[in-house]
Amino acid sequence: DAGITQSPRHKVTETGTPVTLRCHQTENHRYMYWYRQDPGHGLRLIHYSYGVKDTDKGEVSDGYSVSRSKTEDFLLTLESATSSQTSVYFCAISESTSGRDTAQYFGPGTRLTVL
Amino acid sequence: QKEVEQDPGPLSVPEGAIVSLNCTYSNSAFQYFMWYRQYSRKGPELLMYTYSSGNKEDGRFTAQVDKSSKYISLFIRDSQPSDSATYLCATNSGGSNYKLTFGKGTLLTVNP
Repeated sequence: DAGITQSPRHKVTETGTPVTLRCHQTENHRYMYWYRQDPGHGLRLIHYSYGVKDTDKGEVSDGYSVSRSKTEDFLLTLESATSSQTSVYFCAISESTSGRDTAQYFGPGTRLTVL
Repeated sequence: QKEVEQDPGPLSVPEGAIVSLNCTYSNSAFQYFMWYRQYSRKGPELLMYTYSSGNKEDGRFTAQVDKSSKYISLFIRDSQPSDSATYLCATNSGGSNYKLTFGKGTLLTVNP
């Protein structure tokens, strides 16, 4: 995993509680992404960041918020967890948007269960 | 029509077989193409990267892009049990649009 860590790796929580997932990179890449992966849906983009304090929504952003106060950290918050947010969450990074650097590199994932 | 279509399989082959994995896409602006390999309970791992049409070879793996038919392929020669994984194709148009569009993945099992 290209210098990307995610924490926690596993979490079980109850409906209605807030949850924060952390992604930390040591590659100094500008772009960071949060995905969720579910059977039958594949990888879906939740939010992404194109710089410190610069974020935007992906295709499944409802119920999620993000923050990026440092280049290396990208936080994903489930404001009030629901059972439909049970999923595996992946963080990804990319260096640029041109050429070879457009490829994204993924972290190991966080397995979240909402009861 | 989904932007990237990928047969989910599952695909089961004997060790040593040649494997062909395929995706089709609809957006002619796509010009960067990637293949990721994902082992069970792990994150996707970049396997191959190609730009525009043509072939790219890396060991036992060959990625092929045909932009005229909007078709991308990954070939695995002399497949090994360690190749058993889900393979995802991905593409984007680059520039200011850095969003990757993924196929849903094909589950491959190579039997010893």
